[in-house]
Amino acid sequence: ETVLTQSPDTLSLSPGERATLSCRASQTVSRSYLAWYQHKPGQAPRRLIYGASSRATGIPDRFSGSGSGTDFTLTISRLEPEDFAVYYCQQYASTPLTFGGGTKVEI
Amino acid sequence: EVQLSESGGGLVQHGGSLRLSCAASGFTFSRYAMSWVRQAPGKGLEWVSTIGGSGSTTSYADSVKGRFTISRDNSNNTLYLLMNSLRAEDTAVYYCGRERPNMGDIDYWGQGTLVTVSS
Repeated sequence: ETVLTQSPDTLSLSPGERATLSCRASQTVSRSYLAWYQHKPGQAPRRLIYGASSRATGIPDRFSGSGSGTDFTLTISRLEPEDFAVYYCQQYASTPLTFGGGTKVEI
Repeated sequence: EVQLSESGGGLVQHGGSLRLSCAASGFTFSRYAMSWVRQAPGKGLEWVSTIGGSGSTTSYADSVKGRFTISRDNSNNTLYLLMNSLRAEDTAVYYCGRERPNMGDIDYWGQGTLVTVSS
């Protein structure tokens, strides 16, 4: 099983600041089969990034993903008020599909 | 517009059973693999199960294998999760999701349904 470790657990920032979230895999995530999701309380999760760096339809370009192998990053260039949420990475290169523990981005 | 709507959650006793449903619309249901993902209170997302578009292939997390059964009715565009021998640790919001073709990332999610298992 590929274990995903996200850091930090919590990121305290202000609107307009840059957020950098990390996701480290216990083994190589082949073909960069890694996705990022945003999740707000009481809402459905929302896919932001797939294939490590491809933005999903309708996602603003302030969200970007990078990385390969075992180290991946989600960057939010300038935080908007609606970006404060929990973010999860997920690998889909192998079964079982696994998610990281999440990073909470808070004001 | 793709829409997924879960139902069937509720309060059930330890050892009991429950069947969740996920009604899908806005896309050709049979062409997509579908998954269930859950979130226990205060915890992160956990993949539960996936079923292929035709229904012939299924996979399960070890934590639910042998107790949960995923199925689908392509004529009625509905996904199911039959949960037996429920435990307190199965308490969670259960989300259904559509997988991107031939991948495993989830491009659309439902709003979720809460399952509470009392001990």
